This record gives sequence, structure tokens and C-alpha cells, in this order.
Amino acid sequence: GAVVSQHPSRVICKSGTSVKIECRSLDFQATTMFWYRQFPKQSLMLMATSNEGSKATYEQGVEKDKFLINHASLTLSTLTVTSAHPEDSSFYICSARRSGGVYNEQFFGPGTRLTVL
Amino acid sequence: QKEVEQNSGPLSVPEGAIASLNCTYSDRGSQSFFWYRQYSGKSPELIMFIYSNGDKEDGRFTAQLNKASQYVSLLIRDSQPSDSATYLCAVKGAGSYQLTFGKGTKLSVIP
Repeated sequence: GAVVSQHPSRVICKSGTSVKIECRSLDFQATTMFWYRQFPKQSLMLMATSNEGSKATYEQGVEKDKFLINHASLTLSTLTVTSAHPEDSSFYICSARRSGGVYNEQFFGPGTRLTVL
Repeated sequence: QKEVEQNSGPLSVPEGAIASLNCTYSDRGSQSFFWYRQYSGKSPELIMFIYSNGDKEDGRFTAQLNKASQYVSLLIRDSQPSDSATYLCAVKGAGSYQLTFGKGTKLSVIP
């Protein structure tokens, strides 16, 4: 199977600080990665689509200056939550689409639980 | 607006029974359909995908697709307590790599 890792798995930070989350595809190349956010008892909400070597595409209502995405290589995408506030506390999950995959299946990382105090 | 609808449940079935999970979608141009399982506090795990009308079987799981009715389902045979989770239906439209997710159906398998 395809393995996607995320780091860190859990982070607690003070309000106003920035937090960087890494998403790596370990055994395949991912031209496209996706960042989702999930609040308790709610479904996944797509935040942005990250394409290797180009700017990310953000969903409506997601502030691109607050959630900085960098997809510098075919195996790594990062999400930086800048000037985090308590309302940013959530479960952030990335997924990666395998390059050359016929059916465009996405494989999810284990998620990062962010708590902003 | 592309929509994917699922009954939120909870759906309770006894151990050993067949669990039937249903999903409808609004975009007729949708091409690929995915079922993910999500345990509480964990990220989704891909179980199956289907792209042609009919049935696709993988072990205890069977995905069924009916594009005319815009309906996709997942059957779990011989349900086990370890199958208790939220099952997410996801749909990929034409011309996009993005998946649209339903809100998920919570399944509870009673020992």
C-alpha cells in the first residue's frame, strides 16, 4: 500500500505562534497533495490543493495568508498555520494522490492534532 | 454545488450480520467512487474504490455502483466489532483530482 506520514502527530502551542506541519509520501511520488481540517464529530473539510512546484489552490473561505502551503518536492508538502488562535484548534489531515494513479485514489496521513491555548 | 449524501446513522448491526452503507451523489459526471473507514481520532483509511457500474468485491467488502441512480453502496459481510467506525463515501468528479466527501455513516457492530 501507499504510505503517507505526517509530523508532528500532536502539537500544543500558544496563541499567536506559528506551527508547521509536514506531510510526506514515503513510497510513492505525489504530484498533488491535499490538506483537510476536521472538527470534532464533523466531516473532512478540504482546505487547499497543493501541486508540486506551483502555488496551492485554496477553497473558498480559507485564508491563504494564514495557512501557508509549500509543495517543494514530489514527496513533501508543508502547511504552516501562522499566528494561530484557539479557533484554529483542529485535526489537520493531509492526503496524497499517487502520480500516475489511474483512479486518483488518495491516501491519507495519520493527521496532526493542533491545540492552540 | 457537488453534494454527497450519507445517512449519518448510527447504524447498528449484530456481529456476523451484513452491514449496508449507502451514498448518493449529485454530480452526474462523477467518475470514481471511494469508501474510506475512519476510526475515532484517526485519519481515514481507503477501503475500496469503484468506477464501473455493478459490484466489486474485496474480501468481506462489496462496493456497488449504479450511475443511472447516482448511488453507491458498501456491503460488509460477517460484520465484526472491529468494523465499528465511521464510513466516508467520496466521489471524484470529471476534470478534477479533488474528492467530495459525504459526512459519513457511523457503524456500530454489536457483539
